[in-house]
Amino acid sequence: QLQFQESGPGQVKPSETLSLTCSVSGGSISSSTYNWGWIRQPPGKGLEWIGGVYYSGAAYYNPSLRSRVTISIGTSKKQFSLRLSSVTAADTAVYYCGRLSNYNYYMDVWGKGTTVTVSS
Amino acid sequence: QSALTQPRSVSGSPGQSVTISCTGTISDVGAYNYVSWYQQFPGKVPKLMIHDVNKRPSGVPDRFSGSKSGNTASLTISGLQAEDEADYYCCSYAGSYTPYVFGTGTKVTVL
Repeated sequence: QLQFQESGPGQVKPSETLSLTCSVSGGSISSSTYNWGWIRQPPGKGLEWIGGVYYSGAAYYNPSLRSRVTISIGTSKKQFSLRLSSVTAADTAVYYCGRLSNYNYYMDVWGKGTTVTVSS
Repeated sequence: QSALTQPRSVSGSPGQSVTISCTGTISDVGAYNYVSWYQQFPGKVPKLMIHDVNKRPSGVPDRFSGSKSGNTASLTISGLQAEDEADYYCCSYAGSYTPYVFGTGTKVTVL
């Protein structure tokens, strides 16, 4: 059964870079049917799509975050990562990774989520 | 790309039906049949309930159904149960530049 687990620092200072890793178990991320993405949820607020990456390494991003975000496949091919630069308090959120359908545009498998707080 | 509009809350008694609307534009909900719905309990991970407007993933009860008319998609919960009390979010494909646009979220309360 495919599972995802997010990992990374729980606290990041303003203006620094947030870095998270999503580890995949029970399956492979080498797929032509799915891509691998990140979604976040600020405290008490709704969901926001951040971006996704295909196994080829090609990535695509939310236009509102594009200038600050990088999503990439790890060298082990069992991980993918998120980097968000120049963070502010508005980037405080629960960050989820998961599997996105290439052709039908939904996330059907989610990680447990990790909370990142931006604070000095 | 603005968030899709959902009612802040809906409520119903056990056994009743409730419908949650998700209003977008001709560029997202109105343009594509790629609307999905997610259920989220407080502090928990969202769960996919509906995709492609009206398709249920395996394991989702058939009392959950989806539909779309024009720029508005809807999620209907028939035979409401206490365990359905949660937040629900819609999401629509909005083109290659902004593939995913989420709704504002709706809290469903079972009276």
